[in-house]
Amino acid sequence: DTGVSQDPRHKITKRGQNVTFRCDPISEHNRLYWYRQTLGQGPEFLTYFQNEAQLEKSRLLSDRFSAERPKGSFSTLEIQRTEQGDSAMYLCASSLIAGALLNPYNEQFFGPGTRLTVL
Amino acid sequence: AQTVTQSQPEMSVQEAETVTLSCTYDTSESNYYLFWYKQPPSRQMILVIRQEAYKQQNATENRFSVNFQKAAKSFSLKISDSQLGDTAMYFCARRETSGSRLTFGEGTQLTVNP
Repeated sequence: DTGVSQDPRHKITKRGQNVTFRCDPISEHNRLYWYRQTLGQGPEFLTYFQNEAQLEKSRLLSDRFSAERPKGSFSTLEIQRTEQGDSAMYLCASSLIAGALLNPYNEQFFGPGTRLTVL
Repeated sequence: AQTVTQSQPEMSVQEAETVTLSCTYDTSESNYYLFWYKQPPSRQMILVIRQEAYKQQNATENRFSVNFQKAAKSFSLKISDSQLGDTAMYFCARRETSGSRLTFGEGTQLTVNP
């Protein structure tokens, strides 16, 4: 198992363009999370999936953002009509929900992130 | 908004010495989970240590230990025998039992000097 992977690692785009990021979680993990981290700040929650169902979305996830996890494995995060304020590191994490007794901490394992720069 | 606060943006320590990073948090729940994550430069975030609020005993993981004060809503991280590889940004995070999201603090940049 190679851990959580994200692609691309870096993306530079012009304002108004659409971008899509991919996250591959640890293979047996059933939950997948997206966070955004701006420079000098802690990560902020965007959304999460349990299998293919998107169970929670943050108010930070505007209408220009959409996330999918179509087969309950990898996930994509798309940003339409990018703005300079979207420049950030986008982090993906995954975890295994196995019941409160087996895995109460629901530890989240993070990927290396995709750094987006909007010019 | 229920927050997590790290009041020390930067700290430094000499190699082999001990350093303590502070974290306070806000919550309305009686049980929750607390975490310290480490983010080395240009590398991914990894979990250092975790604590369940119902457990009174402070968690320890080798050189890392916490001082969990539930009444004060304080969760500090102590690193003993600091090593150069401990240089990183450290984030305190909280997860409430009723939810899945992690709420992170602003981070503390720790530099270990030789």
